[in-house]
Amino acid sequence: DQQVKQNSPSLSVQEGRISILNCDYTNSMFDYFLWYKKYPAEGPTFLISISSIKDKNEDGRFTVFLNKSAKHLSLHIVPSQPGDSAVYFCAASGTSYGKLTFGQGTILTVHP
Amino acid sequence: EPEVTQTPSHQVTQMGQEVILRCVPISNHLYFYWYRQILGQKVEFLVSFYNNEISEKSEIFDDQFSVERPDGSNFTLKIRSTKLEDSAMYFCASTPDSYEQYFGPGTRLTVT
Repeated sequence: DQQVKQNSPSLSVQEGRISILNCDYTNSMFDYFLWYKKYPAEGPTFLISISSIKDKNEDGRFTVFLNKSAKHLSLHIVPSQPGDSAVYFCAASGTSYGKLTFGQGTILTVHP
Repeated sequence: EPEVTQTPSHQVTQMGQEVILRCVPISNHLYFYWYRQILGQKVEFLVSFYNNEISEKSEIFDDQFSVERPDGSNFTLKIRSTKLEDSAMYFCASTPDSYEQYFGPGTRLTVT
């Protein structure tokens, strides 16, 4: 099941710089997209989301961009901080209350 | 801030034994979910539950699995006869009335 793909297994950035995490999807029925952050031995923590009727959503240092025609979304973190080091998952849903389909995750490491 | 809680944090069981994983969703949430993550793989949807019924289940959720909301607070996942391949992190999640699901810390199930 490759409906949601995160092609970069890992990303390393310097503190203060921008982190860009990417996600592609194939199912055109998805209409809501979410980013989760996960630390080892913890559950996924909801970060930010975007509806398919928007192309951008901001929350503090986090911005999610959606390009529906390309079936691509990205998460920008500016400025990156060492505490942002974690695994980031994108997820998609086709219905409210419906199941989430996850990508494989990207390990972000922010160096001081 | 309200959280989803799960017990136990780690369960070791022998192949063929029954296990019950427990979750307490956030109190005003109406929709409940179980997901699992086998080591090194994606987070996978197992089942969703609403109004005391299963609303959706995946192919993974076969007759060996069942869910129950035995009282007003707990939500359980039972595996009747565990197999080695059931070893995974099991996450419970809940949502009030939206796409955004909130996850518990997980139960690590090890089947020997």
